[in-house]
Parts: sequence; structure tokens; C-alpha cells
Amino acid sequence: KAGVTQTPRYLIKTRGQQVTLSCSPISGHRSVSWYQQTPGQGLQFLFEYFSETQRNKGNFPGRFSGRQFSNSRSEMNVSTLELGDSALYLCASSSTSGGSNEQFFGPGTRLTVL
Amino acid sequence: QQQVKQSPQSLIVQKGGISIINCAYENTAFDYFPWYQQFPGKGPALLIAIRPDVSEKKEGRFTISFNKSAKQFSLHIMDSQPGDSATYFCAASYYGQNFVFGPGTRLSVLP
Repeated sequence: KAGVTQTPRYLIKTRGQQVTLSCSPISGHRSVSWYQQTPGQGLQFLFEYFSETQRNKGNFPGRFSGRQFSNSRSEMNVSTLELGDSALYLCASSSTSGGSNEQFFGPGTRLTVL
Repeated sequence: QQQVKQSPQSLIVQKGGISIINCAYENTAFDYFPWYQQFPGKGPALLIAIRPDVSEKKEGRFTISFNKSAKQFSLHIMDSQPGDSATYFCAASYYGQNFVFGPGTRLSVLP
């Protein structure tokens, strides 16, 4: 099976712009979670989607939003970018069936805000 | 209660030595405890995981020890190799959701 894929891998934006990141989960996985990783804050949970519905949400401002499509692919959007949004954005997929809790990460999208 | 504490922040071990990383949690609802390994420029990779009904799980050179009463778990890397040099994260979750990660431990294995 192919792993979790994320596009683009690198992105440079300026303050005030908006950005959309994409994640394709492992085939058959219906849950997609998004995380922000920074050197100072570590891995912070943004939100989780399951069957096109947001199931859980972390403590991030409303500028961060997401959605999931019927094929389980997910997108994350950040509006009005701030310098502090520079980070590695990671997507993780999991099956959540058969009692499996395993979560598999993609390579991430490195966002730099200038 | 959602926090997972991890120590040490960084660790230097000689090749062939044992690396030990410790984590502690508060929420007794957590029912799944994975460890992830992350190399620079890569996403975290699932290394090994344990559930609270087991006190120890071993996969190759990697062992998780779990102490339910103390709400602690640890990762032991036996015969540590330079290729093990990476950042390690512990995590906890419940109901297959709500993953909470520790802050990470940067491991350096000297040749």
C-alpha cells in the first residue's frame, strides 16, 4: 500500500496570504488528522476528520480550517497567514476499524511565511 | 490531564549502549501508547506501541515497558546504533482518537 502523501512538500508565502495543503491518506483509511510541528511547541493537534466530518479539534484559531472529501482525501487551509504559522504541517491517517489505533504520518508540508 | 510528559529532552549514548526514554501521563482513559521515530525532514514513523493490559512489548531492539499504576511508560533501545539517532516522541490516545504527543527526545548515538 502506498503511504500517506502530502502536497506540496514546500511552500513559501507572505503574511496575509492564505494557503491550502493537501493530504491523501493510506487507501482504506477514513480518518485523517492534521498536526503542526514547530521546534518550540512540538507536535500540536489541529483537527481530525472522519467520513467527511470534523470529529475532533485542537486549540487553534479559526484561521485554521479543514475538510475531507468522500474519497477520504483532506485539505487544510490557513487564512491570513502570520509569521508564527511557519511550521511543518503533518497529516496522519488511521483505519480506526478492527480496534486499530495505528496512525501513520506523511512527510509533511514545510510552510515558510515571510 | 491531556498532557504527556517526556524526558530527557536530549540523550547521548555510545554505540552499543542502551537508550532509555521515559513518558508519563495523567488521563487514565488513554488506552493506546505509541512511540514514533522522526528523522530530520521526515514525518514521524510508528516504531512500536502498547496497550495498558500489557506490561512489556518487545520488537527487535526496541522494548516498551508500561507501568499502569504509576501511569508511566518507557522506550528502551538496546544495542543503540548511530542510525538510531533521531527524535523520539511518545504519545497517548483513547478510542482511536485524541492523540497527545510528548515534546520529544533528541537521541544521538556516538560511533
